[in-house]
Amino acid sequence: DIQLTQSPSFLSASVGDRVTIACRASQDIDSYLAWYQQKPGKAPKLLIYTASTLQSGVPSRFSGSGSGTEFTLTISSLQPEDFATYYCQQLHSYPPGFGGGTKVEIK
Amino acid sequence: EVQLVESGGGLVQPGGSLRLSCAASGFTFSSYWMSWVRQAPGKGLEWVANIKEDGREKYYVDSVKGRFTVSRDNAKNSLYLQMDSLRAEDTAVYYCARKVGLGLPFDYWGQGSLVTVSS
Repeated sequence: DIQLTQSPSFLSASVGDRVTIACRASQDIDSYLAWYQQKPGKAPKLLIYTASTLQSGVPSRFSGSGSGTEFTLTISSLQPEDFATYYCQQLHSYPPGFGGGTKVEIK
Repeated sequence: EVQLVESGGGLVQPGGSLRLSCAASGFTFSSYWMSWVRQAPGKGLEWVANIKEDGREKYYVDSVKGRFTVSRDNAKNSLYLQMDSLRAEDTAVYYCARKVGLGLPFDYWGQGSLVTVSS
């Protein structure tokens, strides 16, 4: 199985900060990576797929990059509504597992 | 508007069974792969199962193989998860989700249904 390692697992940031979350795959997954945002008590929301394609309706301050085994999610200017947990997911092969999550909290 | 609404969760004893349902609306259900994803209390996301548009291909995470069965009824726009031989570690919120396509992620999710396995 492909393992996804997210870092950091927790980060504290302020409104307006630039935030970067990393996701490393245990083997080459090309660009078959998605990012989700989840707020407490809510279902995950798709942000980005195929590593860098922004899902319709998602603000442009979110961006994704990478291919192969190294990927990043960047929030260019953190907004109050962005405080949440973020997960990466690989869709290259079964099982389509998720990373452990990165919780973004208010500093 | 795409909607996915899960039902059927609850408290069940270890070794027991439960059937989750997911009612879909707002899109052509028979044209999409569908999935189940779960989240144990305070933990991360875990993919559970996928089922092809026509129900002829199914995939499961190893930990539920032989115990869980995913199925669908395209005439009723419904997805199901039959869960047998339940264990304490199956306790989680179970989400149904629509899969965009091959190699693509889950673009719509239900609100989730809590399954608690405890004596």
